[in-house]
Amino acid sequence: AQSVAQPEDQVNVAEGNPLTVKCTYSVSGNPYLFWYVQYPNRGLQFLLKYITGDNLVKGSYGFEAEFNKSQTSFHLKKPSALVSDSALYFCAVRDAGGNTGKLIFGQGTTLQVKP
Amino acid sequence: NAGVMQNPRHLVRRRGQEARLRCSPMKGHSHVYWYRQLPEEGLKFMVYLQKENIIDESGMPKERFSAEFPKEGPSILRIQQVVRGDSAAYFCASSLFTGTGDGEQYFGPGTRLTVT
Repeated sequence: AQSVAQPEDQVNVAEGNPLTVKCTYSVSGNPYLFWYVQYPNRGLQFLLKYITGDNLVKGSYGFEAEFNKSQTSFHLKKPSALVSDSALYFCAVRDAGGNTGKLIFGQGTTLQVKP
Repeated sequence: NAGVMQNPRHLVRRRGQEARLRCSPMKGHSHVYWYRQLPEEGLKFMVYLQKENIIDESGMPKERFSAEFPKEGPSILRIQQVVRGDSAAYFCASSLFTGTGDGEQYFGPGTRLTVT
């Protein structure tokens, strides 16, 4: 069965410091991996995705993520955090070989960036 | 290009009433997905539709819930005889058809259903 784990409920970083939000996944075939961000009372905004190719994926707002097949991980990173990055972040996976587009989401990680 | 639109944004229903949630996908998108977000939880897949077809409803409760995406008009998620446990945020997403299924999904702002 497909699953996604985000081991940290909350990540706290100081503004200007690098940030990492962790994600590990489990699928039977090759994964398509996604990161989304959710601000309070809003829908999810797409940040980036990994489909194939280069393991380092660059996305919106300076975020990037590194796909690691051996560790089945897809951690979200940013070199220098902003207070405005504070939000709820979701990692999601779908099985590339499946016939449905449904995404399996992690529980979410709250990112707090302090000035 | 307008994003995914959902209405109403907030819906209050008494137990036993019906709730109808509407979703208009982004222009040019032919795939619609519905997800439910319970308090303090992540999103859970409910149903995946294309125009006039239900492709995957593996996440839909067996009773009281139904979804459609007609040839014309928005997708509708219908919940009959609502109960307090149905209180949640319901998100619709849409995507392009890519052939390989690697298109990202774009989410609407959600409908927050409260059952009293």
